[in-house]
Amino acid sequence: EAGVTQFPSHSVIEKGQTVTLRCDPISGHDNLYWYRRVMGKEIKFLLHFVKESKQDESGMPNNRFLAERTGGTYSTLKVQPAELEDSGVYFCASSRTSGSSYEQYFGPGTRLTVT
Amino acid sequence: AQSVTQLDSHVSVSEGTPVLLRCNYSSSYSPSLFWYVQHPNKGLQLLLKYTSAATLVKGINGFEAEFKKSETSFHLTKPSAHMSDAAEYFCVVSDLGGSYIPTFGRGTSLIVHP
Repeated sequence: EAGVTQFPSHSVIEKGQTVTLRCDPISGHDNLYWYRRVMGKEIKFLLHFVKESKQDESGMPNNRFLAERTGGTYSTLKVQPAELEDSGVYFCASSRTSGSSYEQYFGPGTRLTVT
Repeated sequence: AQSVTQLDSHVSVSEGTPVLLRCNYSSSYSPSLFWYVQHPNKGLQLLLKYTSAATLVKGINGFEAEFKKSETSFHLTKPSAHMSDAAEYFCVVSDLGGSYIPTFGRGTSLIVHP
């Protein structure tokens, strides 16, 4: 089965611009997660979708970040306007079932650089 | 509340020698613990997980980890390092009885010398 895919793999934008990241989960996985790793720090949870609904968005840093998952398939994460501190690697993961003991399958990440 | 501490940011070993990557955790509930590996330009891949069954967990590629509640540790080991083991390793905890949201360690880069 195909894994989690993310697009683009890299993005370099200027401060104030808008960027949209995309994640395609494994087919049949209702649960989709976004994470971010800022350089040198831990991977941090951003939000969790169950199908098209936001189950938990407690990790979203501020209202410049907007995540959607229309139709419960792929998801997008938009940053508008981007700031320097948004630079990092954004990971997407999916799982068939939610819960603390279930494996999440991760994509390769999108490296975002804001200059 | 839960937290994870990976005690080493970098570990360097020679090929064929043992690997030890250290992880300590704290958790208010019974934890689930995971080790993930990330090779360059790849997604995180699950190596193994502990979810309150056997305390010695065997994973892929010859890795294993032992859950030690008294020491709040979940160290990752491998008897003999291979060049292909060079990667970044993440220890992850989530609470079985609390929030399922996983908490990641900062990662340990494993360097394997020929």
